[in-house]
Amino acid sequence: TAGITQAPTSQILAAGRSMTLRCTQDMRHNAMYWYRQDLGLGLRLIHYSNTAGTTGKGEVPDGYSVSRANTDDFPLTLASAVPSQTSVYFCASSEAGGVLTFGAGSRLTVL
Amino acid sequence: GIQVEQSPPDLILQEGANSTLRCNFSDSVNNLQWFHQNPWGQLINLFYIPSGTKQNGRLSATTVATERYSLLYISSSQTTDSGVYFCAVELGTGGFKTIFGAGTRLFVKA
Repeated sequence: TAGITQAPTSQILAAGRSMTLRCTQDMRHNAMYWYRQDLGLGLRLIHYSNTAGTTGKGEVPDGYSVSRANTDDFPLTLASAVPSQTSVYFCASSEAGGVLTFGAGSRLTVL
Repeated sequence: GIQVEQSPPDLILQEGANSTLRCNFSDSVNNLQWFHQNPWGQLINLFYIPSGTKQNGRLSATTVATERYSLLYISSSQTTDSGVYFCAVELGTGGFKTIFGAGTRLFVKA
């Protein structure tokens, strides 16, 4: 089934450790996105990429980095996790300016 | 930056009732989408509607881009409509940057 695969599904991480959330899509979409969802705050854009080789900052980029080496993969890295990064992380993709398709989410707890 | 405001924040309906959800945005946008997040966390696109009116079964949406708002209509609500409804706007500049509102949490009682 075509779509977006996120891994891991959930993770508990000690503060100060690094972590990479993986996102792979098989729809050959140009644009990819990372959002975090916190209770009462909806989805907030962390980083996005219009096409392979380019990335841009969203609403809440601090403490996160991304890369877009190819069309299919868009990993999100937390270099030194802090408790405020406890959240559910969603990866999404779209054709240029088109409908967003979401992954199932990755639940991260930083202790 | 752009502000995306949704109302009401919470809504409780009796099964069979109708409702209207609103999304206001503070700047010009390239497009607007409505999503439903079910109780299991899955996000599903309902409408891609930069302007005009679309209908899909019991749901319909209208976007008036010149007045910077969109409405989502739910008719004859069912318990399976429960969840959170989000609108999302793609900014007018800066590529495909898409920003979400805080959502409307809907609970439909049997």
